[in-house]
Amino acid sequence: IQLTQSPSLLSASVGDRVTLSCKGSQNINNYLAWYQQKLGEAPKLLIYNTNSLQTGIPSRFSGSGSGTDYTLTISSLQPEDVATYFCYQYNNGWTFGGGTKLELK
Amino acid sequence: EVQLVESGGGLVQPGRSMKLSCAASGFTFSDYYMAWVRQAPKKGLEWVASISYEGSSTYYGDSVKGRFTISRDNAKSTLYLQMNSLRSEDTATYYCARNWYFDFWGPGTMVTVSS
Repeated sequence: IQLTQSPSLLSASVGDRVTLSCKGSQNINNYLAWYQQKLGEAPKLLIYNTNSLQTGIPSRFSGSGSGTDYTLTISSLQPEDVATYFCYQYNNGWTFGGGTKLELK
Repeated sequence: EVQLVESGGGLVQPGRSMKLSCAASGFTFSDYYMAWVRQAPKKGLEWVASISYEGSSTYYGDSVKGRFTISRDNAKSTLYLQMNSLRSEDTATYYCARNWYFDFWGPGTMVTVSS
């Protein structure tokens, strides 16, 4: 399964509602996770099984979707959210999307 | 506290071998699938290999199949990645990660394949 993330680069302001997209080439059956990777750090799990928030992750992060189309939403962007975000499917094999780099406007 | 710490990276010549280790602590190691994920410099993430709880089942990405071997020692709570016939395109930071959906990651170990 191929995963396509869009946009590849997103500029937004503090307080904005931000939406990141991840589209699969086949049905992912909700086995979709999202990671945040800050510069020089290991990735951190944010969301698993499409919409389950990992322990310790702020509630401004949420996930949704079904079938082939999935979304990560940040309800109110904070400066510490500047990072690259990756989606990942574990329904059929294991595949990462290419990433969305989120920067402050 | 869950901890994963990789070791064994460094500079290696093309065609040679290298073995990575990942020491786990803070959880019952044998209760979890484990995996290796890599990231080439300034690139995205690539799943490399996964292994089942007791090590009876292993899975590999196409780019490493036949060259890399994932294994585990549950008595030592340690995950391994044996890498043979290394190529320049294997240059990356290698992370070990826990579970199907990688809920915890180590800090990574850098592998550079170059003559």
